[in-house]
This record gives sequence, C-alpha cells and structure tokens, in this order.
Amino acid sequence: GQSLEQPSEVTAVEGAIVQINCTYQTSGFYGLSWYQQHDGGAPTFLSYNALDGLEETGRFSSFLSRSDSYGYLLLQELQMKDSASYFCAVRSPRGAGNMLTFGGGTRLMVKP
Amino acid sequence: DADVTQTPRNRITKTGKRIMLECSQTKGHDRMYWYRQDPGLGLRLIYYSFDVKDINKGEISDGYSVSRQAQAKFSLSLESAIPNQTALYFCATSDSSGQGFYGYTFGSGTRLTVV
Repeated sequence: GQSLEQPSEVTAVEGAIVQINCTYQTSGFYGLSWYQQHDGGAPTFLSYNALDGLEETGRFSSFLSRSDSYGYLLLQELQMKDSASYFCAVRSPRGAGNMLTFGGGTRLMVKP
Repeated sequence: DADVTQTPRNRITKTGKRIMLECSQTKGHDRMYWYRQDPGLGLRLIYYSFDVKDINKGEISDGYSVSRQAQAKFSLSLESAIPNQTALYFCATSDSSGQGFYGYTFGSGTRLTVV
C-alpha cells in the first residue's frame, strides 16, 4: 500500500520562505503531486514531479528525490493568501497510472 | 459554469436515510473519482471509474455505492446514512489521454451532516 507523511501545521511570516516536506512509502511510484486547498474550497493542482529535481512555477517550487522517497513544496515571498492546506499525493501504477493517494495535509498559516 | 459541479453543496440528513450526491463534469475527462475528507486525514478514495462500464472500489467503499450514468456523470449514494459518514465529499476528474499527467480537477465539494 501507500503511506505519506507531512507536518500537520507550519507557520511563517509574510514575505518569508517556507518548505513543506513529504515522505512517502509506496509499492509503486510514478510521481509526486501537490495540491492547495483554502478553507471551504476545493483542492487545486499546483505541481507534479515525475523525475528527480526541482520544478519551478512562479513563487512555488516542488522538489523530488526518488531515492530518498522524499519531496517538498517551497513557497517563496509568502503572501497572506497563501494561508491554506497543502497536500502531497503519490501517483501510482494502480489504475493504469492515474491513481493518487493523498497525505494528511499541512496547514500553512501566514502571519503579517 | 464550473468544470466539475457537485450537488447539493450542503446537506443534513437523518441516520438511516438514503442519500445521493451528484457530480457532473464538462471537462470531457474519462476518469472520475469520489473522495471523502475528514480533518487531519486528508482525502480518502471511496470509488473510482475509468469509463461508464468500469467501476472500482477505493480504500473506504463500505457503506457507499456509485453509479456512472454517462461519461459526464458520476453519483455517490449512501444506502443508510450513519453519523460517522459526516464529512466533506469531493468529486474529481482526470484525463487518461496522452502521456502526461495534469492532475485532478475537483468539484467544490458537498458538506454532508448525518444526525
């Protein structure tokens, strides 16, 4: 089966940089995905890493190390609107490669 | 209009009642999913469907059933609702065409309370 570990809460100040880590154990692995969810809202897709290394999309970057079964989401120049929950999710071979198993989520609080 | 629409947005029902949550999508995606979200537990898969004739159980399917009425419609039923099914329910879609992976598109969710 699959299991994912991520911190339950992280607090940072506006303008700072924050890193949200995710470690996983899986019986098969295609890639690691990240989703953002504001309170009361739907999860929205942020990024996907299939290969080792860093992927950058604006203020957000995502990193993967397949050998360490580890990834992280890096948020730079934090803004108040970044306060949300962030979920990592493993994409597995199950279901022909379109199955996601989600971590428990990290609640990010950005303070002024 | 939203790409993935869930109805109702909120529902309160009594223990033992049968209830149906509906999901429709205009993405043209072939794959549809139902997830349940509880605080601190992330999103857990209830059922998934890769086309109209393909329905599969997820990790927490007990007490639930689904119907894929068309490629664009996927409904979730609670046969006899119980209080521990109180949760936020999400429908999601994904596309199996092509070689890339572009993530899931989620609906806005249905907040279900069983009293």
